[in-house]
Amino acid sequence: EIVMTQSPATLSVSPGERATLSCRASQSVSSNLAWFQQKPGQAPRLLIYGASSRATGIPARFSGSGSGTEFTLTISSLQSEDFAVYYCQQYNNWPPYTFGQGTKLEIK
Amino acid sequence: EVQLVESGGGLVQPGGSLRLSCSASGFTFSTYAMHWVRQAPGKGLEYVSTISYNGGSTYYADSVKGRFTSSRDNSKNTLYLQMSSVRPEDTAVYYCSVGIVATMNDYWGQGTLVIVSS
Repeated sequence: EIVMTQSPATLSVSPGERATLSCRASQSVSSNLAWFQQKPGQAPRLLIYGASSRATGIPARFSGSGSGTEFTLTISSLQSEDFAVYYCQQYNNWPPYTFGQGTKLEIK
Repeated sequence: EVQLVESGGGLVQPGGSLRLSCSASGFTFSTYAMHWVRQAPGKGLEYVSTISYNGGSTYYADSVKGRFTSSRDNSKNTLYLQMSSVRPEDTAVYYCSVGIVATMNDYWGQGTLVIVSS
């Protein structure tokens, strides 16, 4: 099973600033990496797939990069609605596909 | 519009059984694999199970293998998760999910809460 490790666990950023979230895989997942956003009481929402492709309706301030074992989600200018928990997920080797433990993005 | 609506959650005693349902609409249900993912209170996301488009293949996380069974009724556009021999650690919100365009989990239901407690 591939282990996904996210850092940091919590990230404090001011609105309007840039946020950079990291995700590392225990072995190569090629570009089969997704990012999800989850707000309290809501289901996860797909943001990024294929490591760098934005899902339908996702604003351009969200971008993903990386391949192999190292990945990054960048939010270029944080809006109030972006404060949430973010999960990475590998779907290269499954079952099971696996998620990181999450990064909580909070207002500084 | 893709919609997934889970139901069937509730309080169940350890060792008991429960069947979750996921009603799908807005896409051709019979042509897509479906997934169950769960989230324990205050915790992260955990893969539970996948069932192929026709129900011919199923996959399970080791933590539920032999206790949970996924099935589907394509005539009713409904996915099921039969949970047996449940344990307190099965307490979670259970989501159904489908991958249509991008990944395995493009769309998610709102989830149904299962509490295993005596």
